Amino acid sequence: KAGVTQTPRYLIKTRGQQVTLSCSPISGHRSVSWYQQTPGQGLQFLFEYFSETQRNKGNFPGRFSGRQFSNSRSEMNVSTLELGDSALYLCASSYGTRNTGELFFGEGSRLTVL
Amino acid sequence: ELKVEQNPLFLSMQEGKNYTIYCNYSTTSDRLYWYRQDPGKSLESLFVLLSNGAVKQEGRLMASLDTKARLSTLHITAAVHDLSATYFCAVDPPKAAGNKLTFGGGTRVLVKP
Repeated sequence: KAGVTQTPRYLIKTRGQQVTLSCSPISGHRSVSWYQQTPGQGLQFLFEYFSETQRNKGNFPGRFSGRQFSNSRSEMNVSTLELGDSALYLCASSYGTRNTGELFFGEGSRLTVL
Repeated sequence: ELKVEQNPLFLSMQEGKNYTIYCNYSTTSDRLYWYRQDPGKSLESLFVLLSNGAVKQEGRLMASLDTKARLSTLHITAAVHDLSATYFCAVDPPKAAGNKLTFGGGTRVLVKP
């Protein structure tokens, strides 16, 4: 079956702009979570959505937001981009129940802020 | 605050030898994950360990979990070049609904012939 699909794969923005990233989870998965990966900070949790509701949130400023649609697809938005937002943004999907455990990651969206 | 530490950060391996990566975490958790990441690629799930004493093996990799010691190990048997990658462990907060992984800093593995 198809894996987690993220679009776009690469993008370049300038400071002050905003960006929207998209994630389509594996069919049947209801949980989508987002992570930021940078060389300096490593992998950091942004937020998780389950059944269109934000269930968990990491320690990122309000410029980072997300949403989930009824088909479980998710988007994240970063407004007023800063140079430090340059990163690989990874989306992961799972069934969303505690006992299933496994998360599957997409290929990521690599954002460069100039 | 949950903290996850891996060591070593870098591991230069010789083919055919055995090595271990350690993952310590600071608070109780009942779910520990191991992932592999190749350069420029995403995270590939290796193991999910769900209970104390859990041991899982796949090929040359074996992972174990000791929840009392808050320690997981990833053991590599007879390393081969294909295992060169960065390995991450990650932990979920205890009794949390959903997923909110805290990752270790990663162990970069380079297997030399």
